[in-house]
Amino acid sequence: KQEVTQIPAALSVPEGENLVLNCSFTDSAIYNLQWFRQDPGKGLTSLLLIQSSQREQTSGRLNASLDKSSGRSTLYIAASQPGDSATYLCAVRRPGGSQGNLIFGKGTKLSVKP
Amino acid sequence: NAGVTQTPKFQVLKTGQSMTLQCAQDMNHEYMSWYRQDPGMGLRLIHYSVGAGITDQGEVPNGYNVSRSTTEDFPLRLLSAAPSQTSVYFCASSYGASGAANTGELFFGEGSRLTVL
Repeated sequence: KQEVTQIPAALSVPEGENLVLNCSFTDSAIYNLQWFRQDPGKGLTSLLLIQSSQREQTSGRLNASLDKSSGRSTLYIAASQPGDSATYLCAVRRPGGSQGNLIFGKGTKLSVKP
Repeated sequence: NAGVTQTPKFQVLKTGQSMTLQCAQDMNHEYMSWYRQDPGMGLRLIHYSVGAGITDQGEVPNGYNVSRSTTEDFPLRLLSAAPSQTSVYFCASSYGASGAANTGELFFGEGSRLTVL
């Protein structure tokens, strides 16, 4: 059974720091991995999507990497800003018949202090 | 671009009442799904659909019904509301398994907050 874990559950950093959020999964047979951002009281916004054949994806100050063999993904945020404060969730999609079925981690709540 | 639209945004029900949460997408996505999000439990899949006329159960389907008569709409029905169904409900959609457009990227609605008294 696929399980997705995000550690730490919460993280507080000063503005300007570079930081890494971690996501681990137990079954390396994945279709893709997606990182989301969720602001309080809002829905999930897709940040980056990494296909199983890819090693990393970049968007602006965000870089996500994928190592299927070790069951890990990291989300790197460069030069963090207070506006980056949110909960970040990763989700892996299983291949095959349940092609729409994502397994979510419980998220890392990030707070960036001015 | 409307994307994924959920209504209502907020709802209060009494135990035993029924209601329908609406979800519509305008991206011609084949796949649609419903999740509930609860503190400490994360997001859990209730039901999903891989195309019009096709639905299947997720992790926590009991007490909920769905149907998919069109590509655009995927309503979630609570048959007899219970306090345990107090939650935030999210609808999501993506392209299906085939075709060049299938990156598998999932798009979410803004959520529907349901309280059952």
